[in-house]
Amino acid sequence: RKEVEQDPGPFNVPEGATVAFNCTYSNSASQSFFWYRQDCRKEPKLLMSVYSSGNEDGRFTAQLNRASQYISLLIRDSKLSDSATYLCVVSNALYSSASKIIFGSGTRLSIRP
Amino acid sequence: DTAVSQTPKYLVTQMGNDKSIKCEQNLGHDTMYWYKQDSKKFLKIMFSYNNKELIINETVPNRFSPKSPDKAHLNLHINSLELGDSAVYFCASSRTGASTDTQYFGPGTRLTVL
Repeated sequence: RKEVEQDPGPFNVPEGATVAFNCTYSNSASQSFFWYRQDCRKEPKLLMSVYSSGNEDGRFTAQLNRASQYISLLIRDSKLSDSATYLCVVSNALYSSASKIIFGSGTRLSIRP
Repeated sequence: DTAVSQTPKYLVTQMGNDKSIKCEQNLGHDTMYWYKQDSKKFLKIMFSYNNKELIINETVPNRFSPKSPDKAHLNLHINSLELGDSAVYFCASSRTGASTDTQYFGPGTRLTVL
């Protein structure tokens, strides 16, 4: 089993739709969770951190389910500019400079007009 | 001003050659990383340095040798390049290296080995 698994997609949804995808992780000791966004032929950029209590940033909501070991990302009222690959990132060793960072292979999202 | 910069952006070379990629960050971060993103878009950490000290060294062939002359720079030298080394190499930095830190990525170096 991969340490971090994501559905590769592509998810192809119309503008204005709500879309959600999950990411599962295998290490129950994982401490920190993130969603990064990567546009085609560009570098990954942080979209949002995922907190235990869940968090929301505008149209984006991230949730963490420790019991089932997955994180989710919900995008409401999707825009054409949301088309990108969304990378799930899991990290352990909370406050150590040797923290291990693992990226999922990404979920491709395509928003159509 | 670019926070994390890499040179070159593109690198095309023959098998067996030796090449280097340079990375610089002007964010004042303590930790820098090298990642490899293969054709399947899987991004995998190769090395991390904290204040010029090697912290993480994943199972990478010893043809790959990172060097950190100071905490703002982390270069990657690759000896005897192989076809399988073709990938995009991303440099990144984070404030302390803690798992809660945001990773800031450079624009990537697209390496093609012929």
